[in-house]
Amino acid sequence: GESVGLHLPTLSVQEGDNSIINCAYSNSASDYFIWYKQESGKGPQFIIDIRSNMDKRQGQRVTVLLNKTVKHLSLQIAATQPGDSAVYFCAENNGDYKLSFGAGTTVTVRA
Amino acid sequence: DADVTQTPRNRITKTGKRIMLECSQTKGHDRMYWYRQDPGLGLRLIYYSFDVKDINKGEISDGYSVSRQAQAKFSLSLESAIPNQTALYFCATADQGHGRGDEQFFGPGTRLTVL
Repeated sequence: GESVGLHLPTLSVQEGDNSIINCAYSNSASDYFIWYKQESGKGPQFIIDIRSNMDKRQGQRVTVLLNKTVKHLSLQIAATQPGDSAVYFCAENNGDYKLSFGAGTTVTVRA
Repeated sequence: DADVTQTPRNRITKTGKRIMLECSQTKGHDRMYWYRQDPGLGLRLIYYSFDVKDINKGEISDGYSVSRQAQAKFSLSLESAIPNQTALYFCATADQGHGRGDEQFFGPGTRLTVL
């Protein structure tokens, strides 16, 4: 079946640099995408979401970009901080209020 | 207080035992979900419920059952636990008719070990 996936399982970034986490999806019918952050020992926490009628959405220090042509989603984190170290999941909604999750990218911030 | 709570937070049990994981929410949401998380596999949907009288199987429902006792409570049971059900289990909720309607709010998780 179709699924959501992430390009890289791990990402190491220097504190203060920008981070880019990528996600590829294959379901062209998906109309909603969401990024979650999961810290050790906790449940996933909402970061930002985007609908398919948008290409870009910005939050506080985070930006999500959606390229429907190549079915690609990315999360950009500006000025990465130690507290950004976590596992990041992208997920897509298939239209009936279920989410399909990718395998996750572990981000490690170097001091 | 947390909006979505799960009990127990940790559980070690033996093969063949019956286990119930409980989820409660104070968000007033209609939709509730159970997921399991295994290393490297992300979250996979076990069961979901859109209201008290609605129960639906997810992608990995075999070996599991659920009960939606009330709007605020959704429990997951393993009738006869087996070692490959060792995983982290998450409950989530979502608002119906929210407009966006798709963000899910997760509980803190239950770590289950089946020996």
